[in-house]
Amino acid sequence: EIVMTQSPATLSVSPGERATLSCRASQSVSRNLAWYQQKPGQAPRLLIYGASTRATGIPARFSGSGSGTEFTLTISSLQFEDVAVYFCHQYNNWPPHTFGQGTKLEIK
Amino acid sequence: QLQLQESGPGLVKPSETLSLTCTVSGGSISSNDDYWAWIRQPPGKGLEWIGSVYYSGSTFYNLSLKSRVTISVDTSKNQFSLNLSSVTAADTAVYYCVRESTTPIGIQLENWGRGTLVTVSS
Repeated sequence: EIVMTQSPATLSVSPGERATLSCRASQSVSRNLAWYQQKPGQAPRLLIYGASTRATGIPARFSGSGSGTEFTLTISSLQFEDVAVYFCHQYNNWPPHTFGQGTKLEIK
Repeated sequence: QLQLQESGPGLVKPSETLSLTCTVSGGSISSNDDYWAWIRQPPGKGLEWIGSVYYSGSTFYNLSLKSRVTISVDTSKNQFSLNLSSVTAADTAVYYCVRESTTPIGIQLENWGRGTLVTVSS
């Protein structure tokens, strides 16, 4: 089973500033990596798949990069509505699909 | 627009079987490109993929739960179901039903139900 590790656990960023979230896989997942946003009381929402492809309707301020074992989700200019927990997900070697433990993004 | 809705008891006794159904609307569960999955999230914790089913009935399970899990599909009702046996308090979680859509770029977990909280308690 591939273990996904996210850092940091919590990130505080000022509005308008850049937020950078990291995800590391215990072995290569190629570019088979997705990112999800989860707000309190809601289901996760797909942001990015294929490491860098934005899902339908996702604002351009969200971008993904990386391949192999190291991945990054960047929010170029943080908005108040971006406060959420963000999860990475690998689907290269499944079953099972595995997820990171999440990064909580807060407004500074 | 495709929608998924979980249904089932919110409280299950220890050692009993947790049973949930997901109803798919706005699209067919018999799509060649889709698998239908169950994912759970214990309160305040991360996501755990339980397993998925294809419309043909083929299944994939998380090995950590495989001995207790059965996922099935009913194409006539556009539904798929989860049975998890011998539950304990550790199975308390929000259970989501999810569409796994296969694309040339990869798998998208693009459509999620709202989730249903299942508590295991006597």
